[in-house]
Amino acid sequence: GENVEQHPSTLSVQEGDSAVIKCTYSDSASNYFPWYKQELGKRPQLIIDIRSNVGEKKDQRIAVTLNKTAKHFSLHITETQPEDSAVYFCAALKAPNTGFQKLVFGTGTRLLVSP
Amino acid sequence: EAEVAQSPRYKITEKSQAVAFWCDPISGHATLYWYRQILGQGPELLVQFQDESVVDDSQLPKDRFSAERLKGVDSTLKIQPAELGDSAMYLCASSLDSPSGSQETQYFGPGTRLLVL
Repeated sequence: GENVEQHPSTLSVQEGDSAVIKCTYSDSASNYFPWYKQELGKRPQLIIDIRSNVGEKKDQRIAVTLNKTAKHFSLHITETQPEDSAVYFCAALKAPNTGFQKLVFGTGTRLLVSP
Repeated sequence: EAEVAQSPRYKITEKSQAVAFWCDPISGHATLYWYRQILGQGPELLVQFQDESVVDDSQLPKDRFSAERLKGVDSTLKIQPAELGDSAMYLCASSLDSPSGSQETQYFGPGTRLLVL
């Protein structure tokens, strides 16, 4: 089945620096890759997603890139702010034989942005 | 903005007891998911409903876990009997997916944090 690996597990940056989180997936048929942000004690919230028909997507300070050949995708946060501190999860869509689709999540990256 | 609702937010129970969690998805969302999130890990799918039907429960420990969505709206996840290893966050999510449609965004509820003593 689908397996999603995420690195690094923790990432500490200074305010204003950029942060990059990388994920790899195993199922070449996966075609949807969302990123979720989870603040302490709160629900995961979608921050950006990308489908396999595009290689890059940007939303203000957040961007995601996808390399289908290498089966990896990355989250890029520029000009980081303390409020970006949270756990970030990547996920890949697995389409099992039943036709119903499910997300497989990475193990998460704890991002700490220091003022 | 509509949100997924869950209750209770916290539950402490002793092992061998029964516990139940409730989820109310965003109105109109056909697909409902129950996830378990162990501390320090990503959410892991337990069961997925399409309307009132279970479409994937391959990761649900069926000897002790059960889930239902009788009217295709809200859902209940039950554990009986609870074990120490069940301590985790139980997240509910919903989306607009249909079986033949493309993946739509999953919106998560606030979760129920379970502690089994």
